[in-house]
Amino acid sequence: GQQLNQSPQSMFIQEGEDVSMNCTSSSIFNTWLWYKQEPGEGPVLLIALYKAGELTSNGRLTAQFGITRKDSFLNISASIPSDVGIYFCAGPGDAGNMLTFGGGTRLMVKP
Amino acid sequence: ETGVTQSPTHLIKTRGQQVTLRCSSQSGHNTVSWYQQALGQGPQFIFQYYREEENGRGNFPPRFSGLQFPNYSSELNVNALELDDSALYLCASSLVGGFWKGYTFGSGTRLTVV
Repeated sequence: GQQLNQSPQSMFIQEGEDVSMNCTSSSIFNTWLWYKQEPGEGPVLLIALYKAGELTSNGRLTAQFGITRKDSFLNISASIPSDVGIYFCAGPGDAGNMLTFGGGTRLMVKP
Repeated sequence: ETGVTQSPTHLIKTRGQQVTLRCSSQSGHNTVSWYQQALGQGPQFIFQYYREEENGRGNFPPRFSGLQFPNYSSELNVNALELDDSALYLCASSLVGGFWKGYTFGSGTRLTVV
């Protein structure tokens, strides 16, 4: 089945720094989704990407749909403590209307 | 507009027992999907329900079963619990075919099997 690999697995950064994480797929995706999950909560959709090369921003977050359609990137500028959480990439899975998730990137921000 | 609500929030069961988890979908959503999230991993798709019928299933054994009710709420049942079933179970609602706009997830039920 499809696999999504996220890197890095974890990041510990200083408040104010910029963050970059990426996700690669074993197959071509037509949609990329980026979610954030905080402790005790379900994932929340941050950004959705629908075509190759697309660049979309949501506040300090920017995500890009890779040209090969097998990767995507998420950048966070000027990180703040509330950015702490686990960031997941996701894309359409094999079984119809379902999502395949990556393993996540855990972000920790030091004030 | 209410979001997705799941109950209970935490549950401890003994190996071999059966468990039922419940989910109320977001207002206006007609599809419910269930995911299992093991510690330190991303969510994995279990199955989806639309019009009270299973509408896609992931790589989970038949002892994982579900129901959807006319009001679009849903149940996840797991029989013959195993230690590896310990996980966060997430319910997500959406419009049918609307997964590309993203699901609305509940906060999950944390199941511990001892």
